[in-house]
Amino acid sequence: AQRVTQPEKLLSVFKGAPVELKCNYSYSGSPELFWYVQYSRQRLQLLLRHISRESIKGFTADLNKGETSFHLKKPFAQEEDSAMYYCALNPGDKIIFGKGTRLHILP
Amino acid sequence: DVKVTQSSRYLVKRTGEKVFLECVQDMDHENMFWYRQDPGLGLRLIYFSYDVKMKEKGDIPEGYSVSREKKERFSLILESASTNQTSMYLCASSPLGRPNEQFFGPGTRLTVL
Repeated sequence: AQRVTQPEKLLSVFKGAPVELKCNYSYSGSPELFWYVQYSRQRLQLLLRHISRESIKGFTADLNKGETSFHLKKPFAQEEDSAMYYCALNPGDKIIFGKGTRLHILP
Repeated sequence: DVKVTQSSRYLVKRTGEKVFLECVQDMDHENMFWYRQDPGLGLRLIYFSYDVKMKEKGDIPEGYSVSREKKERFSLILESASTNQTSMYLCASSPLGRPNEQFFGPGTRLTVL
């Protein structure tokens, strides 16, 4: 079964501390994985995709096929990182989203 | 600037009413999607469409239908609204062959009394 699991509903991190948002997936093929973000009162938007191996707003995510994970990381949290984060898998013609993790950056 | 717009930001309807949620995109995208977003449940796909007059069921199509008469417009229809359809509804679009690059609308918060 195709599935995306985000084990944490809420993650609270102090400003300046490292952030890691966990994502695990279940997919038999070669996965395409993404992170989407929704800031307060803003639209859901694509943050980054694994195939481009990019760093956006200081965030990176590495696909680990052995552990079937795609964790989102940032070395130093900033207050503006507070948002809802969704991990997503593209198995072909649509996207499967995880249930989301709310990241709360504490001052 | 790319745009996906939804007809209403907030909507309040009564149980049993027929409800139309409209979505329009100006990017000439082939793919369009309707999701509902609920706390603790994330985004769940209701229906999607590859092309005009084409539609595919998503994960939770029951109680919903869709219409895509024009490429830029994708409508979600609640035939007989029920209280468990109270939710935030998000529309998205993406280019052909790139379902992952979705652009989302601002959402419609629907309350069914």
